[in-house]
Amino acid sequence: NAGVTQTPKFRILKIGQSMTLQCAQDMNHNYMYWYRQDPGMGLKLIYYSVGAGITDKGEVPNGYNVSRSTTEYFPLRLELAAPSQTSVYFCASSPGNSNQPQHFGDGTRLSIL
Amino acid sequence: GIQVEQSPPDLILQEGANSTLRCNFSDSVNNLQWFHQNPWGQLINLFYIPSGTKQNGRLSATTVATERYSLLYISSSQTTDSGVYFCAVPSSGGSYIPTFGRGTSLIVHP
Repeated sequence: NAGVTQTPKFRILKIGQSMTLQCAQDMNHNYMYWYRQDPGMGLKLIYYSVGAGITDKGEVPNGYNVSRSTTEYFPLRLELAAPSQTSVYFCASSPGNSNQPQHFGDGTRLSIL
Repeated sequence: GIQVEQSPPDLILQEGANSTLRCNFSDSVNNLQWFHQNPWGQLINLFYIPSGTKQNGRLSATTVATERYSLLYISSSQTTDSGVYFCAVPSSGGSYIPTFGRGTSLIVHP
């Protein structure tokens, strides 16, 4: 069972470049989330989705975009990469019921130089 | 939004010691999760525990929802317990959007 799969695992971007972080889950979960984790800090929510076609902003959405055309995929787009976006990005999913935990991918380590 | 505070921020133990990690939250919640982030960065769900006590091997967790705190107990710690422990609670009301604390960094020395 693959769970939540994130690609790529590592990436280096130049300032101003764009890229898409991929996230896929095979558990038929309704909810999906993108977090960023800066060194020594907890996770901050960027965007989340409660189902296909529905997305909403989290705590730190600026500089990012998302889409959710299917239940399985929830890509995160960086349009104009900035050094402040250097971080580790985690995708997660959950059924959406209050008694079910989140499942996390292994993360994407992104450096912007 | 809800505030989540974890203590202590850092903890260093000798292998075999016991420890208690605390998570305080500022509002009533209907679910709470504990996660372990291992030294490779992977986040593993340890417990979903909105109230009461659960045990899984050497780890156990207790949530007292009425007093707005949860405790994670680690007994007979091992070097593989090293990492960062996070608690997460819903950001508001009955939402399923978790807010994370800043974590407790645990180092277990052999």
